[in-house]
Amino acid sequence: LAKTTQPISMDSYEGQEVNITCSHNNIATNDYITWYQQFPSQGPRFIIQGYKTKVTNEVASLFIPADRKSSTLSLPRVSLSDTAVYYCLVGDRGGSYIPTFGRGTSLIVHP
Amino acid sequence: DTGVSQDPRHKITKRGQNVTFRCDPISEHNRLYWYRQTLGQGPEFLTYFQNEAQLEKSRLLSDRFSAERPKGSFSTLEIQRTEQGDSAMYLCASSLAEVRGDGYTFGSGTRLTVV
Repeated sequence: LAKTTQPISMDSYEGQEVNITCSHNNIATNDYITWYQQFPSQGPRFIIQGYKTKVTNEVASLFIPADRKSSTLSLPRVSLSDTAVYYCLVGDRGGSYIPTFGRGTSLIVHP
Repeated sequence: DTGVSQDPRHKITKRGQNVTFRCDPISEHNRLYWYRQTLGQGPEFLTYFQNEAQLEKSRLLSDRFSAERPKGSFSTLEIQRTEQGDSAMYLCASSLAEVRGDGYTFGSGTRLTVV
């Protein structure tokens, strides 16, 4: 499995855009990049997934450069409720794939 | 279907006792996963099932840990002779094997405290 590196923590303020970058230098050709969000005392929740370029949904955007060795999760205009831990996962989406989590990035949004 | 359900939400037990947790996956999901999460760490994979078959169990933390999914629906995770180091959140997730990538749904977990 490709190893991922992301900041341990980040701080932001309400209304700002937050970008969390994840490094995955040894990503394999068949690997996808998936981001999860976790609130205290809850299980992780899928946010977004991508393979290359840019993916956008109603919650976030995911930017992946051409070399795919990193990715950036972008949260537009964060609110207090976006305070959570965000995990970057990399892996083949094939039948044997098992989501493997690192420590994640703890995002704190201040008023 | 209301998602993945775990029971109980909280469990306090004395060291040396056995505990069992239950997970009810999304009904049409044929894969079920167990994870453990300690404070400040990401979820750590323990084991998973496809239907009733346990396909990976080498990551179970010790032989005190065991899991079953007898009819391919709900699953139980048992910890025998609990130790203080077993205190953690135990998470269950389910997915459809045929659906890739974003099809994993997690429950809210069972928080175990061993005193």
